[in-house]
Order: sequence, then C-alpha cells, then structure tokens
Amino acid sequence: EAQVTQNPRYLITVTGKKLTVTCSQNMNHEYMSWYRQDPGLGLRQIYYSMNVEVTDKGDVPEGYKVSRKEKRNFPLILESPSPNQTSLYFCASSFFPRTESTGELFFGEGSRLTVL
Amino acid sequence: AQKITQTQPGMFVQEKEAVTLDCTYDTSDPSYGLFWYKQPSSGEMIFLIYQGSYDQQNATEGRYSLNFQKARKSANLVISASQLGDSAMYFCAMRELSNTGNQFYFGTGTSLTVIP
Repeated sequence: EAQVTQNPRYLITVTGKKLTVTCSQNMNHEYMSWYRQDPGLGLRQIYYSMNVEVTDKGDVPEGYKVSRKEKRNFPLILESPSPNQTSLYFCASSFFPRTESTGELFFGEGSRLTVL
Repeated sequence: AQKITQTQPGMFVQEKEAVTLDCTYDTSDPSYGLFWYKQPSSGEMIFLIYQGSYDQQNATEGRYSLNFQKARKSANLVISASQLGDSAMYFCAMRELSNTGNQFYFGTGTSLTVIP
C-alpha cells in the first residue's frame, strides 16, 4: 500500500530533550517536506527536500533540522524543543509535477507533539 | 503578503445544497499549481482537486469543481450536493514551480459544517 509513515504519532516531552520524528515513504517520491499545523494558522512548511542530500528551508525552519540521506526517509529533528514547538506535525511527499502527475502531496497521519 | 488567503473561517451549508469555499493566491511565478485538501475531524489530509496555472478549463472531480479565475488570482472550491460527510476543514494550497525552489503554501483553512 502506498503510504507515508510517521513515528511517533503522539509524544509528550520536556523542554530541551532532543527528539526525532521519523518519516518514510514507499512511493519513490523525489520531494519530501515537513509542516506544522496550528489553530488559526493553517499548515506552514518547515523544511523540504527535492532530492537526496538536498534540503531547503520553508517558512518556519527555526528550531528544526532535517536530513535526506536516503530517498525514502526524511526525519525531523528538534535539537532542543521548546513549548512553542507544541504542534501537530505532518510529513508529506510527492513526485515533481509532470504530464502523468499533478505533484499533489501525500500526507502522513500526523504526529502530535507536546513540549512541557 | 500572504501567499494563500482563505477569508471564511467557518461556513454552514444545508445538506444537498452547493457551497463555494473561497481562495485567493499571490504569486509572480508563471508556473504554479493550486490544490484543495480536506481534513476531517480524524485529522488526515485528503487531496481533492488540482488546477495547473496553464490549464484552460476548470478542474472537476466528481462533486468537486475548482472555479479558476487567473486574472483575479482566485481558485474557489465548489462542492455540489453537499453531504454530511463533507463536514471538515478545507485547505487551499499553492505550489510554486520556480527554478529556485519548490515550496508549498497553505491557507488558514475553512471549517465547513453540513446541516441535515
């Protein structure tokens, strides 16, 4: 089954304790990205990657790191989480737009993170 | 300036009626894609419909259609014959396809409630 898998789905942690949210896709998509969703703000892009070893900042990259060592994986790293990073996080992937693909994003189920 | 603007935080529609959800966008790229996603209360993001900037005709997918007015930079979603299962949050999104990047931008969403 084609899917984007994120783990963990739920996490409560404390300020300053490093954590990693994993993301894996099995659709051979070139493009992968991370978003955070906050009430009233919609989804905001944190980082994206257009290919292995190629990553770029989105609109809200502060406090986050990513890596793309393999095509299928795109982990999100919070080196020193703070309470303002409490949010719902989505990983998503897509092909680049081309004749046979509109390039729509396929989303993971989301990871709800609480930082105390 | 906001890249995607959704001015209706909440909308109500009677079952079996049609409803239009507004979306305006801002870009100077000649090539871009416009998307609508549905987020039910369960939280997953569901792709509904896509419109490319060079597409001459409005996109349609079943009961969903996209009213694309390029000169006005609007991409409104029309849902015909509303069903109770259409109650959800709806997000408009844009993908810029410039040579310098490949970012997605989302609006703040519209919460649609279908009344029996």
